[in-house]
Amino acid sequence: DAGITQSPRHKVTETGTPVTLRCHQTENHRYMYWYRQDPGHGLRLIHYSYGVKDTDKGEVSDGYSVSRSKTEDFLLTLESATSSQTSVYFCAISRQGGTEAFFGQGTRLTVV
Amino acid sequence: EDQVTQSPEALRLQEGESSSLNCSYTVSGLRGLFWYRQDPGKGPEFLFTLYSAGEEKEKERLKATLTKKESFLHITAPKPEDSATYLCAVEVTQGAQKLVFGQGTRLTINP
Repeated sequence: DAGITQSPRHKVTETGTPVTLRCHQTENHRYMYWYRQDPGHGLRLIHYSYGVKDTDKGEVSDGYSVSRSKTEDFLLTLESATSSQTSVYFCAISRQGGTEAFFGQGTRLTVV
Repeated sequence: EDQVTQSPEALRLQEGESSSLNCSYTVSGLRGLFWYRQDPGKGPEFLFTLYSAGEEKEKERLKATLTKKESFLHITAPKPEDSATYLCAVEVTQGAQKLVFGQGTRLTINP
């Protein structure tokens, strides 16, 4: 299994509070990604990183920000959580373009 | 707009009954097509990468093929442990690496 750890695995938070999800890798891969998975929508890309301090938006980036200060860590922040951000969040890593991505176990986030 | 469509949405088979899952795509430029397996409560697990039309990859009871507009995942003599959701994703050539996923096919193999 690829060395990817997501934390926390489960979280319940209140509307309007900030939330940070962490993804940690031990593979030294260049690319890291955050996806959300919702019934009827499949996996959708939120943000991705192609190097330390290099990030870009994905398909559903509104309401989310990311940071990558070290190769091994990629943080996803919900500045002010809303109920529409209730979802399962997956982190993924890949070595380079055109190669397979490996996924973490996911974080189930519930915003009440 | 880049799009990936998987069919059927769900498929129920008897053990040993072979079938195929379809992934059709409309993209500006294909860099690679990926198949993943996802079990309930877990992250997607990588199965195959296909890069060009005519390419085929095999792993145990699974075989993936690619044409210019679609990919098939053939399952031969499946077993109950093959039950999972199978996801197809494409990577497009524009810009940095981004994967566009289909919504998946939920496969159930009855003993």
